[in-house]
Amino acid sequence: DVKVTQSSRYLVKRTGEKVFLECVQDMDHENMFWYRQDPGLGLRLIYFSYDVKMKEKGDIPEGYSVSREKKERFSLILESASTNQTSMYLCASKLRVLETDTQYFGPGTRLTVL
Amino acid sequence: DQQVKQNSPSLSVQEGRISILNCDYTNSMFDYFLWYKKYPAEGPTFLISISSIKDKNEDGRFTVFLNKSAKHLSLHIVPSQPGDSAVYFCAASAPGTSYGKLTFGQGTILTVHP
Repeated sequence: DVKVTQSSRYLVKRTGEKVFLECVQDMDHENMFWYRQDPGLGLRLIYFSYDVKMKEKGDIPEGYSVSREKKERFSLILESASTNQTSMYLCASKLRVLETDTQYFGPGTRLTVL
Repeated sequence: DQQVKQNSPSLSVQEGRISILNCDYTNSMFDYFLWYKKYPAEGPTFLISISSIKDKNEDGRFTVFLNKSAKHLSLHIVPSQPGDSAVYFCAASAPGTSYGKLTFGQGTILTVHP
């Protein structure tokens, strides 16, 4: 069974802190994605990775960076957290680049920045 | 610039009746469309998809209709069940975009009353 896990379900951080969100998939998928979900805005793509050490910016990369040192793990980094980064963060993975391949999502991390 | 729009934030339906969720898009390059369903505290899960070469795709109680000329798609759920209560996101992708990147709508909260 397909599984995408995220390291924390809830996180509370202070403004200016460095924050790491971890995502692990056990399906040997090549492609991994980070989204944030906000009311009225849907899911917006922050970054994605198509291979180890490879990454591309999504639609809203400002204030974020990513790391993919191993195929199964994709980390989202907030270098200096700000209150406008309070959101639900969702990780996803898919096997290949084909449009018809399904993206599988993790349960999400609810991040609050105070 | 919201390329995929779900203009109804919420929909309330009686159990056993039909639920119709709507989605409009502006990018004529989109050729593959998906619906995802999201329960609270869970990640989105894939529900049904449709390619632009079709105008209808059916899977059990779920049917997606695509009207390319109107740039409109809809999801029909018949009959609706209380367990269908969730947030529904439509998403779209265009050929040749980075690694099958999806563009999501804002989501529609469906509530099915017993």
